[in-house]
Amino acid sequence: GAGVSQSPSNKVTEKGKDVELRCDPISGHTALYWYRQRLGQGLEFLIYFQGNSAPDKSGLPSDRFSAERTGESVSTLTIQRTQQEDSAVYLCASSLMGLSGDTIYFGEGSWLTVV
Amino acid sequence: AQSVTQLDSQVPVFEEAPVELRCNYSSSVSVYLFWYVQYPNQGLQLLLKYLSGSTLVESINGFEAEFNKSQTSFHLRKPSVHISDTAEYFCAVRGLRGGSEKLVFGKGTKLTVNP
Repeated sequence: GAGVSQSPSNKVTEKGKDVELRCDPISGHTALYWYRQRLGQGLEFLIYFQGNSAPDKSGLPSDRFSAERTGESVSTLTIQRTQQEDSAVYLCASSLMGLSGDTIYFGEGSWLTVV
Repeated sequence: AQSVTQLDSQVPVFEEAPVELRCNYSSSVSVYLFWYVQYPNQGLQLLLKYLSGSTLVESINGFEAEFNKSQTSFHLRKPSVHISDTAEYFCAVRGLRGGSEKLVFGKGTKLTVNP
């Protein structure tokens, strides 16, 4: 596609429920990233995919968080048993090859509110 | 590991005034440096980046940033701002260690341009 696409754009969920956030990267991009932005905070790295494998998932905050990528394309971030502190914008990004100088392109984010 | 400090969380200026948004970083390895911009209700966009060569880099809309290795800084400047420059600006660094490295962001600076 023309850009990184994320869905849903907004999600309100009850504490304790599971949520899935989806990301469609730019076609042909092998590298995919998930970041989280909480209100008033910078962007926190969550996980990085190269193809379908995740060489760096050091930013996942707890075992309630998991992500997968299939077909070297779509990625899903799953948050189980959501807590109020999970409320944030979840940003997906992609780059052509994951090289350090590559431009990383961001989606518009999925706003998650846990009530 | 890398870290980024953006010293000013908010910068209000009048239209046509000059502005400087400060960014300092720390890293044990050489880095690439980036500025991203987030306009209201939009996703993050790359504004400019320093990879190598001239330490002064420019964007198409009149912003410039200078890489200063001795001061570990990458401040963003514009000699005359417009109302349309109102946005949040994020400084980011990425290590050059072999293999892919994640992009590490500062907490952002909200630039508000007033008439």
